[in-house]
Amino acid sequence: EVQLVQSGAEVKKPGESLKISCEGSGYRFASYWIAWVRQMPGKGLEWMGIIYPGNLDTRYSPSFRGQVTISADKSTSSAYLQLNSLQASDSAMYFCARVPGDGLSMGSFDSWGQGTLVTVSS
Amino acid sequence: ELVLTQSPDTLSLSPGERATLSCRASPSVGSSVAWYQQRVGQSPRLLIYSGSNRATGIPARFSGSGSGTDFTLTISSLEPEDSAVYYCQQRSNWLWTFGQGTKVEI
Repeated sequence: EVQLVQSGAEVKKPGESLKISCEGSGYRFASYWIAWVRQMPGKGLEWMGIIYPGNLDTRYSPSFRGQVTISADKSTSSAYLQLNSLQASDSAMYFCARVPGDGLSMGSFDSWGQGTLVTVSS
Repeated sequence: ELVLTQSPDTLSLSPGERATLSCRASPSVGSSVAWYQQRVGQSPRLLIYSGSNRATGIPARFSGSGSGTDFTLTISSLEPEDSAVYYCQQRSNWLWTFGQGTKVEI
């Protein structure tokens, strides 16, 4: 069974940094892209960026480039989302999702993590 | 910039009724639209990929159609557990975009 398990909820103060993890299991982690998606309270889904753990090829949404850093470690089957200089507006649920790189389902998010709730408050 | 516009914003229907959700793309995107269901408090779940292909384990009452600029998700006979927000999504080059979502109330 494919599973993506994310790290737990976080409460941070403005200006602090945060690194969220997403561990994959049940499939060959290096062979699928991992995307990160933000969902602000009561709002829709926003694609942030994507990484291919096999060669660390990384792409960012223009809306998030420079604001976040995506990384991965295929030896631990984990991907990471780093948020720097947190502000209250970064308070949101963050999801990781698996993305096939080929076949008919290429480009879709076929399996999702449970989400990590980030709260930024002074 | 790719924009996906979903309609209606909210759909209120009764069990057993048919739901038709629309997703309009600008500019045209071929057929590679995906649809997701997100129930309250849950992660999104892939329903349809490549416009019309049901993901693993998705009931046959869910179907997708369309190409170019207009796409449709149809739920043929609503069940109470279909209450959720539904999102369309597309990839163009190396950019992924979601529609704003349609809330289905049953």
